[in-house]
Amino acid sequence: DVKVTQSSRYLVKRTGEKVFLECVQDMDHENMFWYRQDPGLGLRLIYFSYDVKMKEKGDIPEGYSVSREKKERFSLILESASTNQTSMYLCASRYAGTSGRWSYNEQFFGPGTRLTVL
Amino acid sequence: QKEVEQNSGPLSVPEGAIASLNCTYSDRGSQSFFWYRQYSGKSPELIMSIYSNGDKEDGRFTAQLNKASQYVSLLIRDSQPSDSATYLCAVKGLTGGGNKLTFGTGTQLKVEL
Repeated sequence: DVKVTQSSRYLVKRTGEKVFLECVQDMDHENMFWYRQDPGLGLRLIYFSYDVKMKEKGDIPEGYSVSREKKERFSLILESASTNQTSMYLCASRYAGTSGRWSYNEQFFGPGTRLTVL
Repeated sequence: QKEVEQNSGPLSVPEGAIASLNCTYSDRGSQSFFWYRQYSGKSPELIMSIYSNGDKEDGRFTAQLNKASQYVSLLIRDSQPSDSATYLCAVKGLTGGGNKLTFGTGTQLKVEL
């Protein structure tokens, strides 16, 4: 089974702090994604990465940056946390092969990090 | 117009009934379609994918795709209380180089005893 893990389930930070959210996948997937999910707004893509050291802006990249130094790890960085960045942050990894039940294009999510910025 | 639209619900069905969840999308070039289930406080879980017109069945779940009408649906047969969750429709289209999924805001399903 695909396993996507995130460094924290719950995180509380103060305004202005630098925040690191880490995501690790164990299936050698090329593509990884960071989303945030807010009530009424659904899932919104922040950044995604095709491969190591490659990144693309999503729909709401402002206030965020990312790092992908190793294939299995994709980090989301909040340079200076603000209260409007309080949200559920979800990492996802894309399956890029055919094996068993799932085929190309399926995307799997980690458990999420609920971040509160005070 | 939203790119992927779903009725937010809640959709209430009695236990054992068929639940029908619907989704429309605006990008006519969309090629891949997915249904995720999300329990409250948890992350989305992929339950179905469909790529061609018609029906695809997996256990109690059936996904239906009609590209001409830009419509995808999920049927849940013999609904159980454990099916109570929010169901997200996701579409992979041509935007973002074809690498992005666009999600609907989800339909909340309640299966009542």
